[in-house]
Amino acid sequence: GIQVEQSPPDLILQEGANSTLRCNFSDSVNNLQWFHQNPWGQLINLFYIPSGTKQNGRLSATTVATERYSLLYISSSQTTDSGVYFCAVPWGAGGTSYGKLTFGQGTILTVHP
Amino acid sequence: DSGVTQTPKHLITATGQRVTLRCSPRSGDLSVYWYQQSLDQGLQFLIQYYNGEERAKGNILERFSAQQFPDLHSELNLSSLELGDSALYFCASSVDPANYGYTFGSGTRLTVV
Repeated sequence: GIQVEQSPPDLILQEGANSTLRCNFSDSVNNLQWFHQNPWGQLINLFYIPSGTKQNGRLSATTVATERYSLLYISSSQTTDSGVYFCAVPWGAGGTSYGKLTFGQGTILTVHP
Repeated sequence: DSGVTQTPKHLITATGQRVTLRCSPRSGDLSVYWYQQSLDQGLQFLIQYYNGEERAKGNILERFSAQQFPDLHSELNLSSLELGDSALYFCASSVDPANYGYTFGSGTRLTVV
């Protein structure tokens, strides 16, 4: 099946700093999502971004499908940004297995005040 | 509130017991997906239902089963529970994964003692 690798595994920031999280995937996909899991365990949908760039407030994401990676940018980080960030792509080769998401192992972000 | 409702939020039970987790998808979403998040395995796809029918299976144990009812809510049944079944169980739904991705519920935290 498709492999998803996220980097870095851990990231510690001071409030106000910017960061870039990366997601590499081993096969072509036509569906990619970024999620934030907060300290209470909730999985929050950040972006659905199979290609191109999207922005939502201080967060933005870019997916370059032809090169098999996606980036999540967090600007002016806040303590509430702490948690685990996951990217997820369809399970199986070719990106056609809708519904069966393969998740990366996540990036644990800690933002200190 | 994501619109996907899961109950209960927490469940503590003994080994060998059986539990039922419940999920109500967002209004209008016909597909329901179940995922398990454990410390050692990460987030893994278990099973998908579409309008009452099983559509896809992932790494779901034979001790586990699911169904989707005519009102589209779904139940995940876990039996002969073992300590290793302790995990967060998520339900997700989608109206059109090709264009909108998936929305996750807040999860049920199962602890087997």
